[in-house]
Amino acid sequence: EVQLVESGGGLVQPGGSLKLSCAASGFTFSDSAMHWVRQASGKGLEWIGRIRSKGNNYATVYGVSVEGRFTISRDDSKNTVYLQINSLKTEDTAVYYCTSPAPGRVECSGDCYPFGYWGQGTLVTVSS
Amino acid sequence: DIQMTQSPSTLSASVGDRVTITCRASQSISSWLAWYQQKPGKVPKLLIYKASNLESGVPSRFSGSGSGTEFTLTISSLQPDDFATYYCQQYNSYWTFGQGTKVEIK
Repeated sequence: EVQLVESGGGLVQPGGSLKLSCAASGFTFSDSAMHWVRQASGKGLEWIGRIRSKGNNYATVYGVSVEGRFTISRDDSKNTVYLQINSLKTEDTAVYYCTSPAPGRVECSGDCYPFGYWGQGTLVTVSS
Repeated sequence: DIQMTQSPSTLSASVGDRVTITCRASQSISSWLAWYQQKPGKVPKLLIYKASNLESGVPSRFSGSGSGTEFTLTISSLQPDDFATYYCQQYNSYWTFGQGTKVEIK
């Protein structure tokens, strides 16, 4: 069974930093791209960014609205992907999800796919 | 970046109704479009991929169509379990979600 378990959320003051983790199991993590998506309370889904596998040079890409303050990394030895957020703003308050490609739906040499597995999310609250 | 616009934002319907949600892309995305269902307090669930392909285990009352810039999600006969928020997502150039359509009880 595939599991994605996020951790590291909490209450942070504006301007602070936070590093979220997502521990994966039940699939070959090292071969899989991983993504982060966030959702503010009562709002829609916002894609944050993606990190590819070692075979794809751990390539990262970020959404336009978050580029610069967010950094995705991974540790394949721990089956874990991370999201570092710096200079936190009140508008970063949201539930942060990690997600992975839907199995069997990957095309375009590995970079066209919908999301299949989701963690339950970790809440980040930015407030003074 | 590619923008995705869904309409309507909210839809009121009754059990048994045929429901259609539209999603428009700011530029052509071929058929690289997915639909998700999200219920309150739950994570999104993939319903449709590549515009018209039903994900395994998804009831056949759900269907998707379209290509290029205009897409639709249709629920042929709305069931009580279908009241939820639906999101489209393009994956032609990175990933972008629409703003969501809430299907509520009329």
